[in-house]
Amino acid sequence: EAGVVQSPRYKIIEKKQPVAFWCNPISGHNTLYWYLQNLGQGPELLIRYENEEAVDDSQLPKDRFSAERLKGVDSTLKIQPAELGDSAVYLCASSRGETQYFGPGTRLLVL
Amino acid sequence: DQQVKQNSPSLSVQEGRISILNCDYTNSMFDYFLWYKKYPAEGPTFLISISSIKDKNEDGRFTVFLNKSAKHLSLHIVPSQPGDSAVYFCAASLFGNEKLTFGTGTRLTIIP
Repeated sequence: EAGVVQSPRYKIIEKKQPVAFWCNPISGHNTLYWYLQNLGQGPELLIRYENEEAVDDSQLPKDRFSAERLKGVDSTLKIQPAELGDSAVYLCASSRGETQYFGPGTRLLVL
Repeated sequence: DQQVKQNSPSLSVQEGRISILNCDYTNSMFDYFLWYKKYPAEGPTFLISISSIKDKNEDGRFTVFLNKSAKHLSLHIVPSQPGDSAVYFCAASLFGNEKLTFGTGTRLTIIP
């Protein structure tokens, strides 16, 4: 069974530029999550989808962050414009039950 | 407010010995707990979980113990192997809410 796929794996941009991350969950997993992981910290939830619906986006900074999950499969997380403090690892996870399975993450560096 | 705490940032254990990683939580409503293992440049990998109705769960070399009255869980790895060297995160969730709250991680180093 293929795992959660994320791209790109690394991204370097200048501040104020836009950036987008893509996630393909495990086949059959209806629930998809985006997490933010800062250095030395555990992952923190940004948004959770049940199929196409965002059921928990309370931690998503909506002034600059947006996400979508068209057709209830792949998802895209966007930041516009990026700030220096957005440098972190962005993790995507999916689940069909209580256990969440994570992708390798996208490491973002904002200069 | 850190609801899930891993107070030991790092731990070194001799190969073949037992590794014990600890985790404390403050929210008594948490009812499902998980341990994840993370290698550099990879995402967290699910290791083992335990429901609050149990106090122990085993999977091969890995055993998780839950002490609800102390709001404490621990992960035991026996025997420890070099491939176990990684960062270990504990996480917790509330019944009916799939949001995971993670600790800050413990870096385990197995010394050959």
